[in-house]
Amino acid sequence: AQSVSQHNHHVILSEAASLELGCNYSYGGTVNLFWYVQYPGQHLQLLLKYFSGDPLVKGIKGFEAEFIKSKFSFNLRKPSVQWSDTAEYFCAVTSATGGGNKLTFGTGTQLKVEL
Amino acid sequence: GAGVSQSPSNKVTEKGKDVELRCDPISGHTALYWYRQSLGQGLEFLIYFQGNSAPDKSGLPSDRFSAERTGGSVSTLTIQRTQQEDSAVYLCASSSIYGYTFGSGTRLTVV
Repeated sequence: AQSVSQHNHHVILSEAASLELGCNYSYGGTVNLFWYVQYPGQHLQLLLKYFSGDPLVKGIKGFEAEFIKSKFSFNLRKPSVQWSDTAEYFCAVTSATGGGNKLTFGTGTQLKVEL
Repeated sequence: GAGVSQSPSNKVTEKGKDVELRCDPISGHTALYWYRQSLGQGLEFLIYFQGNSAPDKSGLPSDRFSAERTGGSVSTLTIQRTQQEDSAVYLCASSSIYGYTFGSGTRLTVV
């Protein structure tokens, strides 16, 4: 069965600080990887996704993530965070070869950016 | 509409009562999913519908939970004899080849 681990449950940063949120997955086959964001009071939105090709994926709002197959990781990064990035971030995985495309989510990382 | 619509947005119910949660997916999306979001638990997969295939019910936590999807469109998640541990936000998503879209969820509180 697939599983996703997000090691940082709460992160507090000052504006302009760099961000890296860890995500590791457990699955023996080919996977598709996602990062979703949930701003306070809003629904889940897709930040970026990796299906194949360049392992460095760029998403919206200056976010990027790097797929490192040997480490089963898909960490999310942003060079300089803003107050408006305060939100909860979820890493997710689906099987690329079956399983009906259901997403398996990590437990989420709550990011707070202070002015 | 343009997005996934869920109703009600909030539901408070007494322990032991049955509840029904509704999801209107994006028109033309063949796949529909239900997830449960609990504090500190992330998003937990409940059930998945794909076209006319038998649903994947592997995530339903007990036989008090059931869901149906009528006409390949609207879905209803039913929780019978609600318990306090059922309190959570229930999210619906639909998908096409272009990706998933989530609804805003139904916040269920069992008192």
